[in-house]
Amino acid sequence: DIVMTQSPDSLAVSLGARATINCKSSQSVLSRYNNNNYLAWYQQKPGQPPKLLIYWAYTRESGVPDRFTGSGSGTDFTLTISSLQAEDVAVYYCQQYYSTPIFTFGPGTKVDIK
Amino acid sequence: VQLVESGGGLVQPGRSLRLTCAASGFTFDDYAMHWVRQAPGKGLEWVSSITWNSRSIGYVDSVKGRFTISRDNATNSLYLQMNGLRPDDTALYYCAKGSVIVAGVFDSWGQGTLVTVSS
Repeated sequence: DIVMTQSPDSLAVSLGARATINCKSSQSVLSRYNNNNYLAWYQQKPGQPPKLLIYWAYTRESGVPDRFTGSGSGTDFTLTISSLQAEDVAVYYCQQYYSTPIFTFGPGTKVDIK
Repeated sequence: VQLVESGGGLVQPGRSLRLTCAASGFTFDDYAMHWVRQAPGKGLEWVSSITWNSRSIGYVDSVKGRFTISRDNATNSLYLQMNGLRPDDTALYYCAKGSVIVAGVFDSWGQGTLVTVSS
């Protein structure tokens, strides 16, 4: 099974500053068939269900602000929040969907305001 | 899109529960569906998935042989039959809809139903 890890476990960033979250998969999630990375990012605010932010490693879901950017390929991925807003306080999870119909989430990264 | 989970509750170890997800606002039988759980204060754990036609099903190793996912496209309902429940199955269980782009991306979620396994 593909194991997902994230770093850091948590981070505190000043309002307007950049936040960077890393995600690593135990094996590549890049498809040689279509050259897509089978990697998604979700945001979960306290007391709410998760919300899809990004899929295919870098494609923003409709309505997601462009301060959220996904990057990376193969086994190493990054979610960047370019200018942290108060409403971005949340836990962020990466998820692989390469090994369909088996899926795995990373352990999550908590983002707070410094 | 609306997903409403029900069926959770307090149950003794070894007993069974059946969760239901009532779906509306989209063409249910066009999409894969999923169950994801979250233990109190912990992260997300994918539990099970089923394709639109029920031909492909997957489970996390920890529930294989105990949980069964199913769906009824006539009533827009997703189910999770949970047998042999254990204390480590205690969690908020979310129903999630697969994306039209790719089934393994979860683009809509319910609010969850809480399952507590305790004697």
